[in-house]
Amino acid sequence: AQSVTQLDSQVPVFEEAPVELRCNYSSSVSVYLFWYVQYPNQGLQLLLKYLSGSTLVKGINGFEAEFNKSQTSFHLRKPSVHISDTAEYFCAVSGGPGGGADGLTFGKGTHLIIQP
Amino acid sequence: EADIYQTPRYLVIGTGKKITLECSQTMGHDKMYWYQQDPGMELHLIHYSYGVNSTEKGDLSSESTVSRIRTEHFPLTLESARPSHTSQYLCASSPQFSGANVLTFGAGSRLTVL
Repeated sequence: AQSVTQLDSQVPVFEEAPVELRCNYSSSVSVYLFWYVQYPNQGLQLLLKYLSGSTLVKGINGFEAEFNKSQTSFHLRKPSVHISDTAEYFCAVSGGPGGGADGLTFGKGTHLIIQP
Repeated sequence: EADIYQTPRYLVIGTGKKITLECSQTMGHDKMYWYQQDPGMELHLIHYSYGVNSTEKGDLSSESTVSRIRTEHFPLTLESARPSHTSQYLCASSPQFSGANVLTFGAGSRLTVL
């Protein structure tokens, strides 16, 4: 069985400061890991994904994430945030009980709040 | 441009009405999904499909039904809407042999049942 835990439901950060959104997963098999972003009244947009290879993955809008197998983590980072980054961020893993055999299992989301 | 479309974006309806949420994709993806997103933002898979004439229930029990008569179309129907069905419904698709199963999402349909 696979599961995803996003450790923070809400993260307030000042504009231009760095941010890290934490994600831990559990899985008995090799995984694919994803971060999606949801802006207000929108669907989910893929930020980045880890499939294999380099453990440091770069995505859109200056975000990056590092896959750490020993700590079963896939934390999302950005060195300098902007007001436009205010959104809900979801970590996801492929497969698992929430994934319908081929879908994705999502964490509960982290609301990133950028303060001016 | 290849995309995935959901209509209506917003729907307010009375209890007992039948509703259909439409989802269409132009990417030729075989796999399609419906997720329900509750007010706390958590996403739950309610239906998925591997291709034409294939439909499966997800991990969250739902009174809704789906059909897949055409590859590009995956509508969701509620025969008799109730206030407990108030939620946001997100449709997604992915290629059959993507391996990593990267999902592309529509913009969502926000349903309010009075």
